[in-house]
Formats: sequence, C-alpha cells, structure tokens
Amino acid sequence: DAGVIQSPRHEVTEMGQEVTLRCKPISGHDYLFWYRQTMMRGLELLIYFNNNVPIDDSGMPEDRFSAKMPNASFSTLKIQPSEPRDSAVYFCASSPRGPGNTGELFFGEGSRLTVL
Amino acid sequence: GENVEQHPSTLSVQEGDSAVIKCTYSDSASNYFPWYKQELGKRPQLIIDIRSNVGEKKDQRIAVTLNKTAKHFSLHITETQPEDSAVYFCAATGNQFYFGTGTSLTVIP
Repeated sequence: DAGVIQSPRHEVTEMGQEVTLRCKPISGHDYLFWYRQTMMRGLELLIYFNNNVPIDDSGMPEDRFSAKMPNASFSTLKIQPSEPRDSAVYFCASSPRGPGNTGELFFGEGSRLTVL
Repeated sequence: GENVEQHPSTLSVQEGDSAVIKCTYSDSASNYFPWYKQELGKRPQLIIDIRSNVGEKKDQRIAVTLNKTAKHFSLHITETQPEDSAVYFCAATGNQFYFGTGTSLTVIP
C-alpha cells in the first residue's frame, strides 16, 4: 500500500479564498483523522471518522471548517473563507482500529497551507 | 477530555548521552500511550508504544515507562545518535488520541 496520500502538499492562497485539502486513507482502515499542526499548539485533532461517519468534530475551530468522507477511500477538509491564522500543516491519518482499541496512527505527508 | 503535558519542549544532548522526555495525562481511562517521532518536514511516525497493563517496554535504544498511579510516562533514548534529532510527541488515548505539545531533541555530534 502507498500509505496515506494527501494533496496538495503545499497551498498558498489569499485570505477569503476557499481551500480544499484531500486525503486517501490506507485501504482497509476504518478510522480517519484530520489534525492541524502549528508551532504554538502542536498537533490538534480536528475531526475523526469511523466507517465514513463523523464521530467527533469538537476540535473543528469554527464554522468555516468542514470535513466530509463520502466513501471509504476519500475525505476532504474544507476551509471557507480562509484566514491567515489558518496557516498550518494539516495532517490526515488513518488507523485500522479506533482510539478505544489502541490503534497506531498512519500519517500522510501533510498539506502545508499558507494564507496570505 | 484528556490533557497531556510534555516536558521539556526542547532538549539538547551530546552524542552518546541519554535523553529523557516526560509526559503526564489526566484521564484515568486512557489505556494506550504511543510515542511518535517527526523528522524535519516529515510525517509523525510511531516509534514505540505501551499499554496500560505494562510498566515498561524496551526496543533497542528506546524504552518507555508508565506509572498509571501517578499518570505519567516517559521516553528514554540511550546512546543517542545525530539521527535521533527530531521532534517527539507523546500521546494518551482512551476515546481519542491526545498528543502532547512535542519535544525538539537535538543530538550534538
């Protein structure tokens, strides 16, 4: 398997624009996580899915952020409208087991977002 | 929810010396404690983990200890090498994966 695949790897956009980040989890992994990484706050969990269903979105900072998982092999994280404070590296991760069953997280390479 | 604190935030050691990173957690329901290593510009990757029914686990130069009573766990790296330089994250998991804020380790040749 190629691992977790994220796109784009780098995105530079202007404030107010819509940003869509994409993720393809490892085949067979039932859990998918979106994390945001910044120097100040480290790795923050934004949302996670089990079998394509959002389980916990309490980490989503505000209504400008939305995430979907239309099928087992694809998820998107959308920011609309984007703001400079959204600049961060966004990681997608998948796992064969959920947090309660102690599963290793397999991270993608990340999407580095810069909002000017 | 869980609160994971990690110390120190930065650590510099001479090559060959040991490095210790400590984490505390708040939720007694947490039962799985992984450690991830993130090299510059790369993704975090699991290096070692420990479950709540075990007090210590070792894998070559890396070891992790867990004290469930005190709610703290530590990563120990012995005989450090320059390639150990990276950011290390601890995590405590019960219903979610909660990460610490990371420790930037620099091994000086």
